[in-house]
Formats: sequence, C-alpha cells, structure tokens
Amino acid sequence: RKEVEQDPGPFNVPEGATVAFNCTYSNSASQSFFWYRQDCRKEPKLLMSVYSSGNEDGRFTAQLNRASQYISLLIRDSKLSDSATYLCVDLGLNDYKLSFGAGTTVTVRA
Amino acid sequence: ETGVTQSPTHLIKTRGQQVTLRCSSQSGHNTVSWYQQALGQGPQFIFQYYREEENGRGNFPPRFSGLQFPNYSSELNVNALELDDSALYLCASSSGDTGGEQYFGPGTRLTVT
Repeated sequence: RKEVEQDPGPFNVPEGATVAFNCTYSNSASQSFFWYRQDCRKEPKLLMSVYSSGNEDGRFTAQLNRASQYISLLIRDSKLSDSATYLCVDLGLNDYKLSFGAGTTVTVRA
Repeated sequence: ETGVTQSPTHLIKTRGQQVTLRCSSQSGHNTVSWYQQALGQGPQFIFQYYREEENGRGNFPPRFSGLQFPNYSSELNVNALELDDSALYLCASSSGDTGGEQYFGPGTRLTVT
C-alpha cells in the first residue's frame, strides 16, 4: 500500500467555484502533513502545512481527519492561477523524509 | 524564487553510463534532500544530507550516492544508468529543524537512452 494516495483528478472547475479533494495516508502514527503545489514542468512549492486543528490561508483551507486518516484541501473562489497539481505530503516519524502522493490535478477554466 | 539552483537543466545519457547532478542550497540552509520524480508521479525520496552526513535514505539502490560539501551544496551520483532512471531529479534545501518545509530547485531532467 502506498504511504500517501490521492485522487488524480483532473478536477475541472469554473472560475469562482469551490473545489475540494482529499488524500489518504497509511501511517496512523504520522503527525505532520503538508500540501505542495506543482505547476506543469516546474518544481513543487510549499502551499501550506496541515495542523491537527486545521489551517486556513486566504482561499485555501486544509484539514486533517486522524480517525479516517485523510487530509483535505479546499479552494474557494477558484482563480485561473490555481490551475496546478496539488501534492499531499506526509512527513512521517523520521522528520526528514517527505512522502508525496502522486498529485491531484486542478484545472480552473474561464 | 527559492534560491535553490541545480545543474545541469537537462541531460541525456546512455544506459550503463554514470551521471553527477549538482545542487546549491538556499542561503542559511544546512540540509539537502534529493528526490526522483517520474512522469505522472509524485517525487520519491532518495536521501538527505545534513551537515555533510547522510541523514536518511529512501528505497533506492546503492548505485545512487551523494555528497554534501562544507558550503552545504550537494551532488547526486548515479552509476550504471538504467532506462528507468529517466526522470526529473529534484533537490530541496531546508534548515535542520523545519522538517517538511523544504524549498525545491528547478530540477534536472535526465533522459537515459
């Protein structure tokens, strides 16, 4: 079983819409999670950390559900510039190895 | 821009050859991690270097090796290249206590023919 699994999408949404997607993780002891964003043929960039109490940064909200072992990302009022692949990341217990999911592709259309 | 640089940008090698990829970390960062990203997949952790020592390793064979220098720049060496080694190789720098907050370079795209 993969450490982190994501729905690959693509999620095609109109500008202004809300889009949400999840990722599941296999290690029940994991404590730290992140969302990274990767534009086509570019490097991943940290979008936000996922705290146990949830985290909101502008139009982006990340939540952690430990009981069901999933992390969610919600994007409100989608912009064309939000089109990207969103990578779910589990830091695990060793504090150095990032385990990435394969990514969820979001396309925002005008 | 993250301040992390990698060279070369692109590279074409033939099976069996050896390759060295280079990474300069962001100023103030003492930790460099290397990842392999195949097309359509997320990055896979190769190893991490912290203050010139290997700090952890993923599920990659010994023909993948690395170094970190006193200025915290790093090299990834791959011997006996295989076709499946074709991928984007990413390095990421961080300070030792920030765990998941890593800053990636633009990557080196390696093609093995």
